[in-house]
Amino acid sequence: SQQGEEDPQALSIQEGENATMNCSYKTSINNLQWYRQNSGRGLVHLILIRSNEREKHSGRLRVTLDTSKKSSSLLITASRAADTASYFCAPSPGAGSYQLTFGKGTKLSVIP
Amino acid sequence: EPEVTQTPSHQVTQMGQEVILRCVPISNHLYFYWYRQILGQKVEFLVSFYNNEISEKSEIFDDQFSVERPDGSNFTLKIRSTKLEDSAMYFCASSSSLGGNQPQHFGDGTRLSIL
Repeated sequence: SQQGEEDPQALSIQEGENATMNCSYKTSINNLQWYRQNSGRGLVHLILIRSNEREKHSGRLRVTLDTSKKSSSLLITASRAADTASYFCAPSPGAGSYQLTFGKGTKLSVIP
Repeated sequence: EPEVTQTPSHQVTQMGQEVILRCVPISNHLYFYWYRQILGQKVEFLVSFYNNEISEKSEIFDDQFSVERPDGSNFTLKIRSTKLEDSAMYFCASSSSLGGNQPQHFGDGTRLSIL
C-alpha cells in the first residue's frame, strides 16, 4: 500500500468560504478515497474516485484526480462549522492490497 | 444507516494483562479490519480479515495480537500481554468487498489505556 500526503497541514476559514485540500502520492493507483475524522471519532468515508475518473461530485464536495501528477484535491464549497475536522486521502493500489494507509491529514477549522 | 459498533468505548488495563476489543461490523459486509491511532499520530493499519482468516497484516500486528470472528456478528481483537505502547484508539472497519476497491466503514473506536 502507499500513503498519501495531505497539504496544507492546517487550514482555517470563515463559514461560507470554500476549502481546498490537496493530496499527493507516489505510485500508480486503482482509486483514491477521502475520509473525514471529527475529533475523538472514527473515520467517515466521503468519496472514492477511480483512476479513470478526473472529477467527482457529492453534495458540497468536489474531488479531482490527476494521475499524471499523482495528485488529488478535495474542495468543500460553502463550508459550515460542522465541516471542522481532519481530512485524509487514502490512495489504493487496488487488487491484492486491502489496507488503507493514512497520512497526517489536513486539519480544517471553519469559524462561524 | 447501518453502522459499525465497538465496545467498550474506553478500556483501562494493567500492563501485562490480556484485553479483548469487540466490534460488530455492518451485517452484510464480508471484509473486516482493525486500525489503531496513537494519540496525535496517524491512523495505522493492523490487520484485515476475510473468510475466517487473516488476509493481510502490518508489522505492528505481531504475535501478541490475534483476531477472531467467534460468531456471525462479532469481530474481536485480542492483545495477549499488553504493553504501555499499546495505549491508543483502536478502530474496527468493515467493507462489502476488498477494502481497496470499496469504502471502509469505521466504528467510533475503543480508547485503550494501559497503566
